Amino acid sequence: NAGVTQTPKFQVLKTGQSMTLQCAQDMNHEYMSWYRQDPGMGLRLIHYSVGAGITDQGEVPNGYNVSRSTTEDFPLRLLSAAPSQTSVYFCASSFAFGGEETQYFGPGTRLLVL
Amino acid sequence: GENVEQHPSTLSVQEGDSAVIKCTYSDSASNYFPWYKQELGKGPQLIIDIRSNVGEKKDQRIAVTLNKTAKHFSLHITETQPEDSAVYFCAASISNDYKLSFGAGTTVTVRA
Repeated sequence: NAGVTQTPKFQVLKTGQSMTLQCAQDMNHEYMSWYRQDPGMGLRLIHYSVGAGITDQGEVPNGYNVSRSTTEDFPLRLLSAAPSQTSVYFCASSFAFGGEETQYFGPGTRLLVL
Repeated sequence: GENVEQHPSTLSVQEGDSAVIKCTYSDSASNYFPWYKQELGKGPQLIIDIRSNVGEKKDQRIAVTLNKTAKHFSLHITETQPEDSAVYFCAASISNDYKLSFGAGTTVTVRA
């Protein structure tokens, strides 16, 4: 198993540009989520999905869209990038929905918005 | 919502010494407390967790303690080794909730 994979590893955008961060998992996990990691703030939940076709907002959803058309993939879209979205983005998955389920994290995408 | 505070933000220890990281949480309904280790350039990885019906859990050189009354929990690493150098995150959640609330992280450096 490859686990959770993310592409790209690093991206530079200009303010106002859009892009999609890709996330895929091959563990047949139902639950997937996106976090952003900023210095001194830990990880904050952006969006999550409890299964194909179902998504919901997390703690910091503004400026981001998600969709879940398959169990394996959970892309994160930045509609109009802003410097405040400069961060490291992690995708995570778990077997089921619920706080006690072990989250498996991808290697992250480092995003710089100029 | 849940607020998790983590201290210290940085910790430097001599190889072979112990390291202790402390976290406090605000929501008394929280009942699951995992610890994640993040090595440079990688995503966080679960290293140990504890549930509210347990006061202490140990796995080789790593142990976690939980004080529900005081709403704090701690990670203890004994006989530290260079490979223990990483960023450690505590987190808290309610078992039937989706959200995992993370602390800000502790950068641990083990000096040879």
